[in-house]
Amino acid sequence: DVKVTQSSRYLVKRTGEKVFLECVQDMDHENMFWYRQDPGLGLRLIYFSYDVKMKEKGDIPEGYSVSREKKERFSLILESASTNQTSMYLCASSLRARQETQYFGPGTRLLVL
Amino acid sequence: AQSVTQPDIHITVSEGASLELRCNYSYGATPYLFWYVQSPGQGLQLLLKYFSGDTLVQGIKGFEAEFKRSQSSFNLRKPSVHWSDAAEYFCASSGGSYIPTFGRGTSLIVHP
Repeated sequence: DVKVTQSSRYLVKRTGEKVFLECVQDMDHENMFWYRQDPGLGLRLIYFSYDVKMKEKGDIPEGYSVSREKKERFSLILESASTNQTSMYLCASSLRARQETQYFGPGTRLLVL
Repeated sequence: AQSVTQPDIHITVSEGASLELRCNYSYGATPYLFWYVQSPGQGLQLLLKYFSGDTLVQGIKGFEAEFKRSQSSFNLRKPSVHWSDAAEYFCASSGGSYIPTFGRGTSLIVHP
């Protein structure tokens, strides 16, 4: 069974803290994605990686960075958390072709106080 | 740039009633189209997808969707809704790249 896991289901951080969200997939997928989900706004792409050490900005990269040192692991970093980054964060992975299904992790609900 | 529109933010149906969730896409050529479901507190799961062939696609949990090129639509249907179908539904499209574009989602409420 395919699996995408995220390091935390719930996280509470303070403004200004550095936050790491980790995502691991066991399907040998080339593509990995970080999305942010907010009510009424759907899924918005933060960053995308199509290979180890490769990354591309999505629609809302400001305030975020990513790291992909190994194929199975994709980390999202909030350098200095702010209250407007309180949200649900979803990681996904897929094979490279356009028709391929994305497999999602369960999400991390982040609250920044 | 491609876009995906889900015109209905919320849909309320009675258990046992039929369901249709609307999705419209904008892309010049035939896109790859997906429907995902998100149960409360969970990630998204693929219901079905279309990329060629028969325009009526069958998915999991009794769902189907029909691709209509003339209307740029890919509507999701189910003949009889169960209470467990209450969830958020997302339509997505892969046009010119393998980064899909998602609609804003439709929240399905099922009344007993």
